[in-house]
Amino acid sequence: AQSVTQLDSQVPVFEEAPVELRCNYSSSVSVYLFWYVQYPNQGLQLLLKYLSGSTLVKSINGFEAEFNKSQTSFHLRKPSVHISDTAEYFCAVSDAGGTSYGKLTFGQGTILTVHP
Amino acid sequence: NAGVTQTPKFQVLKTGQSMTLQCAQDMNHEYMSWYRQDPGMGLRLIHYSVGAGITDQGEVPNGYNVSRSTTEDFPLRLLSAAPSQTSVYFCASSYLGGSQETQYFGPGTRLLVL
Repeated sequence: AQSVTQLDSQVPVFEEAPVELRCNYSSSVSVYLFWYVQYPNQGLQLLLKYLSGSTLVKSINGFEAEFNKSQTSFHLRKPSVHISDTAEYFCAVSDAGGTSYGKLTFGQGTILTVHP
Repeated sequence: NAGVTQTPKFQVLKTGQSMTLQCAQDMNHEYMSWYRQDPGMGLRLIHYSVGAGITDQGEVPNGYNVSRSTTEDFPLRLLSAAPSQTSVYFCASSYLGGSQETQYFGPGTRLLVL
């Protein structure tokens, strides 16, 4: 069984400040790691994912996340946030082997609110 | 492409009523799934399907039925609605390339059961 813990339920931050959203996971098998973003009243969109290779992965809008196997973490960072980054962010894992297909285990979500 | 579409957007039911949440995708994805989203609990998998005629249970299947007669459609049925089923429901789809495939989510259906 897998589990995901997002350590902060809400993160308020000022515009242009850096932000880190924390995610820890627990799994007995190798995993793939994902960050999804949900803007108000919308569905989830993939922000970035780690499958293999370089442990640092980046999105097109300036977010990055680093896979740390020893600490079982996949924290999301952005050096300078914009008002438009206000959303709820979900960390998720899936089984990297076998027949788990697209079954995702999600964290509880972190609401990022960017203030002017 | 319209992507993943869900209807209705909002629904209010009384306890004991039945209804079907519709989900359709036009990307020829083999894999489709239903999640429910509750505050502070993230999303939890209800049912999933790896192709027409094949469905299986997820983490929280009780009170829900699904069927997959075509590749495009994956309806979720509530046979006898309960207040505990008040939630936001998301349908998702992907190619069947393994668990690394990106899931594409619909806009959600907000359900209130009184």
